[in-house]
Amino acid sequence: QSVLTQPPSVSGAPGQRVTISCTGSSSDIGAGHDVHWYQQLPGTTPKLLISDDSNRPSGVPDRFSGSKSGTSASLAITGLQAEDEGDYYCQSYDSSLRGRVVFGGGTKLTVL
Amino acid sequence: EVQLVQSGAEVKKPGESLKISCKGSGYSFTSHWIGWVRQMPGKGLECMGIIYPGDSDTRYTPSFQGQVTISADKSFSTAYLQWSSLQASDTAIYYCARSVGATASDAFDIWGQGTIVTVSS
Repeated sequence: QSVLTQPPSVSGAPGQRVTISCTGSSSDIGAGHDVHWYQQLPGTTPKLLISDDSNRPSGVPDRFSGSKSGTSASLAITGLQAEDEGDYYCQSYDSSLRGRVVFGGGTKLTVL
Repeated sequence: EVQLVQSGAEVKKPGESLKISCKGSGYSFTSHWIGWVRQMPGKGLECMGIIYPGDSDTRYTPSFQGQVTISADKSFSTAYLQWSSLQASDTAIYYCARSVGATASDAFDIWGQGTIVTVSS
C-alpha cells in the first residue's frame, strides 16, 4: 500500500478538464515537503511534469498545473488530448525516521 | 547532455546475486541525489532508496532495508543497486533517477532508461 493515496483511475473527453488528487499525512505533504508529479505514457520512462507543488519544467504545456493544501495536492489537466492518456504519479518526502521518498499508487488517465 | 545510462537487462535464477549500474554524465555527479525506483509488472513506482554520491549518505525505504544495497562510486560517476540473493518477486524494471538539486526531497528530473531484471528458475 502506497504512502500517498491517489484514485486508481480518472477519465475525461477530449477538451475537458480532469483533476487527480494525492493525499498524504502530517509526516510528508503535511510536514511541508514539496509534491512532484510524473507522467508515464505507455511503455515509456516516467517524466517530471510538475515540481515543487506547482512548477512546470521547461517544455511542459501550461495545460498541466499543480496545487497543494494541507496534507493533499492536486494535478489538473485542462484541454485533454488523446496523447495525455497514461499513468500519473505524485511524489513527496516522508521525514519520519531517516527520511524516505514516497510515491502515490498512480492514477490511470483514460481519454474517452 | 545530462543523462543517466543504466546497465542492460538481466535474467537470473533465484538465489543468485546481481549488481546493476547507473552512470551519470553531463553534470556534477556528486551534487545530486540518485534514487532507485522499482516498477513491478503492471504496477506503480516505488522508491527503494536514495544516495548522495558526494558523501554516500544513503536512505532506504524501510521495506527495502536489508533486501538490497545501494552504493555509489564518484570516481566513475556511477551508482549501483545490488542483491545478494534474488527472489522471483524481484522481477521488475529498475530505474535510477537524479534529483533536481542537493535536497533529498527534490523532484527527480532525469531518469535512466530502466533495467529489466527477470528472476526465474
